[in-house]
Amino acid sequence: KAGVTQTPRYLIKTRGQQVTLSCSPISGHRSVSWYQQTPGQGLQFLFEYFSETQRNKGNFPGRFSGRQFSNSRSEMNVSTLELGDSALYLCASSLEYADTQYFGPGTRLTVL
Amino acid sequence: GENVEQHPSTLSVQEGDSAVIKCTYSDSASNYFPWYKQELGKRPQLIIDIRSNVGEKKDQRIAVTLNKTAKHFSLHITETQPEDSAVYFCAASINNDYKLSFGAGTTVTVRA
Repeated sequence: KAGVTQTPRYLIKTRGQQVTLSCSPISGHRSVSWYQQTPGQGLQFLFEYFSETQRNKGNFPGRFSGRQFSNSRSEMNVSTLELGDSALYLCASSLEYADTQYFGPGTRLTVL
Repeated sequence: GENVEQHPSTLSVQEGDSAVIKCTYSDSASNYFPWYKQELGKRPQLIIDIRSNVGEKKDQRIAVTLNKTAKHFSLHITETQPEDSAVYFCAASINNDYKLSFGAGTTVTVRA
């Protein structure tokens, strides 16, 4: 089976812009979670989706949003980018939530 | 919410020696504890996980132990090899909470 894929792999944006990141889970997986990874804060949970429903959301401002489509693919959007949003954004998929989560390669976002 | 603390933050061991990483969690309702290994520039990969109904689990040179009373779990790597050098993350989750809370990570260096 193909693994979790994320596009794009790298992004450079300027402050105030918005960005959309995409995640395609492993075929058959219905749960998709998003994480932000930074050297200072480590891996922090953003949100989790299952069957197009957001079941939990981390402590991030409303500028961070996401959605999941009927084919389980997921997108996350960050509006009004700030310098502090520079990070590696990882998504992970699993069959059901309590199963093993498999991570994608991440999208490296740089905000200038 | 769940808080996971991980120690030590860095660990240097001689090839062939053992490495032990310890994590504590705050919420007694946590019932799933995975460990991820992340090599430089790569995605986190699950190396072993344990659920709250099991006290210990082993997979070749890797083992995890869980003490629910003390709310801590540990990763043990025996006969370390240079390819074990990486950042290791512990995590905890509560069933029906749909989020993984990660420790801050341990950078393991295996000296040849």
